[in-house]
Amino acid sequence: AQSVTQPDIHITVSEGASLELRCNYSYGATPYLFWYVQSPGQGLQLLLKYFSGDTLVQGIKGFEAEFKRSQSSFNLRKPSVHWSDAAEYFCAVGPFGNEKLTFGTGTRLTIIP
Amino acid sequence: GAGVSQSPSNKVTEKGKDVELRCDPISGHTALYWYRQSLGQGLEFLIYFQGNSAPDKSGLPSDRFSAERTGGSVSTLTIQRTQQEDSAVYLCASGYFMAGNNEQFFGPGTRLTVL
Repeated sequence: AQSVTQPDIHITVSEGASLELRCNYSYGATPYLFWYVQSPGQGLQLLLKYFSGDTLVQGIKGFEAEFKRSQSSFNLRKPSVHWSDAAEYFCAVGPFGNEKLTFGTGTRLTIIP
Repeated sequence: GAGVSQSPSNKVTEKGKDVELRCDPISGHTALYWYRQSLGQGLEFLIYFQGNSAPDKSGLPSDRFSAERTGGSVSTLTIQRTQQEDSAVYLCASGYFMAGNNEQFFGPGTRLTVL
């Protein structure tokens, strides 16, 4: 069975500092990996996705993520966070095709001035 | 274009009542998904539709939960005899059924509160 672990429930960073959110997955085949962001009261917005090819993927809002098969990880990074990045971030893994995604429990990001 | 819409945005009901939650997917999307997000939890998969059929209902928590999709478009999630543990945000997502692309587009959710 597939699973996703986001070990950090809550992270606080200063505005302008760099950010890394961790995601580890368990999946028996080549995973399709996603990062979504959820702002308060909003639905989920896709930040980026990995299907194949280059293991470093670029997303919206200046985010990037690196797929490391040997570590079963897909960590999300941003070089310099903005106050508007405060939100909840979810990592997800899915199979080939268009079936259900399995989500992690999320990491809440707080930005301090 | 228009995104996924859900109605109502908020629903407060009494324990034991039935509720219906509606999802309007993005036009042309053949796949539709329902997830549940409980306080402090991640997203829990409920059911997936391909067209009007549901190949995967494995996430429905009990027989009080059912869902249908008509015309390959609108979907309704019905919860019968609601319980307090059903309180959650119910999210709908839609996507194309295309090999190698299972990106899902999410609606804003329906917040259900069972008193």
